[in-house]
Amino acid sequence: GEDVEQSLFLSVREGDSSVINCTYTDSSSTYLYWYKQEPGAGLQLLTYIFSNMDMKQDQRLTVLLNKKDKHLSLRIADTQTGDSAIYFCAEILSGGNKLVFGAGTILRVKS
Amino acid sequence: GAVVSQHPSRVICKSGTSVKIECRSLDFQATTMFWYRQFPKQSLMLMATSNEGSKATYEQGVEKDKFLINHASLTLSTLTVASAHPEDSSFYICSARERGMANEKLFFGSGTQLSVL
Repeated sequence: GEDVEQSLFLSVREGDSSVINCTYTDSSSTYLYWYKQEPGAGLQLLTYIFSNMDMKQDQRLTVLLNKKDKHLSLRIADTQTGDSAIYFCAEILSGGNKLVFGAGTILRVKS
Repeated sequence: GAVVSQHPSRVICKSGTSVKIECRSLDFQATTMFWYRQFPKQSLMLMATSNEGSKATYEQGVEKDKFLINHASLTLSTLTVASAHPEDSSFYICSARERGMANEKLFFGSGTQLSVL
């Protein structure tokens, strides 16, 4: 079935690293995504990883993919107060036309 | 980068009225647009997939007569909530896929908060 799961809440101190975890179910997903949503706003694509990759780094963001365990994580280095938002992971279902989102992880950064 | 404009950002209406939400791709052609609904503190639920020039494909459980989708051009898709009721109050978000591109080229609008009184 279609199921993407995330932890609901994460609180970190400014300057620390944040790690947001996600598990998905469709082993044939070709792309996995991380989106950021600020209050009352739409979704901003942060990064994505192709399924044949284990890791992708983009400035402060590091995505790790464990295909065997269907586990995806997003690490934010040197977390800032501006990083406070809801983070959604999403997978593309086989067929390539449907994006399934997790419930989102609320990241709160304390100064 | 590519921009998707969604309008209006917020609408308050009386029960029984119809509300139209527009989703425009500003600097690219979008053959496919998606409409999502998001309840407070919940994830986005795909409502329908809209392909330019053809009928929208609705997800199971979404009433096509209630949520009317029109994708008349490569840059515009509209969602009309017909005879809106309080239970239709929600945050609606569209996304657009750039023509000829894979799903990593999927961009989201800023959303529309619909409140039906």
